[in-house]
Amino acid sequence: NAGVTQTPKFRILKIGQSMTLQCTQDMNHNYMYWYRQDPGMGLKLIYYSVGAGITDKGEVPNGYNVSRSTTEDFPLRLELAAPSQTSVYFCASTLQGTGSYNEQFFGPGTRLTVL
Amino acid sequence: GDSVTQMEGPVTLSEEAFLTINCTYTATGYPSLFWYVQYPGEGLQLLLKATKADDKGSNKGFEATYRKETTSFHLEKGSVQVSDSAVYFCALKGNYKLTFGKGTLLTVNP
Repeated sequence: NAGVTQTPKFRILKIGQSMTLQCTQDMNHNYMYWYRQDPGMGLKLIYYSVGAGITDKGEVPNGYNVSRSTTEDFPLRLELAAPSQTSVYFCASTLQGTGSYNEQFFGPGTRLTVL
Repeated sequence: GDSVTQMEGPVTLSEEAFLTINCTYTATGYPSLFWYVQYPGEGLQLLLKATKADDKGSNKGFEATYRKETTSFHLEKGSVQVSDSAVYFCALKGNYKLTFGKGTLLTVNP
């Protein structure tokens, strides 16, 4: 299994540009998450999904959108990039269910800079 | 709401020194508790976990005990190595998500 994969690894955007961060998992996990990591601030949840077709906001959703058309994919969309969105973005997934351990598996991250 | 407070870093130790990173939490009920580790340039990896009071999680020489009475889950290792240099995150699991502490940067010098 490849686990959780993210593309791209690095990206520089200009203010106002848009882009999609891709996330794919091959573990048949039902829950998927997007976090952003700012220096010294830990991880903040942006959006999460409990299954295909179902998404919900986390702590810091403003400026982002998500979709979940398949179990495997959970892309994150930035419509109008702003310098405040400069961060490292992590996608994660877990199998949530009765008796399951619920460990979250993380992708390697996307480092985004908005200038 | 749920919150996790962990020891501010950075922490710098010499090889073979004893490590403690403090973690306390606030949550409703009895959440599962985790320590994740992030090596430079990588994503987070689960280091250890505990799912109920008095459970001790352990892995790679690291240990942490779930203390309900003090709402704590401190990370310890008896003898650190240079390869343990990383950022360590304490986390608790609520209904659908993890709540993370801010992370503690550990640097181990030879």
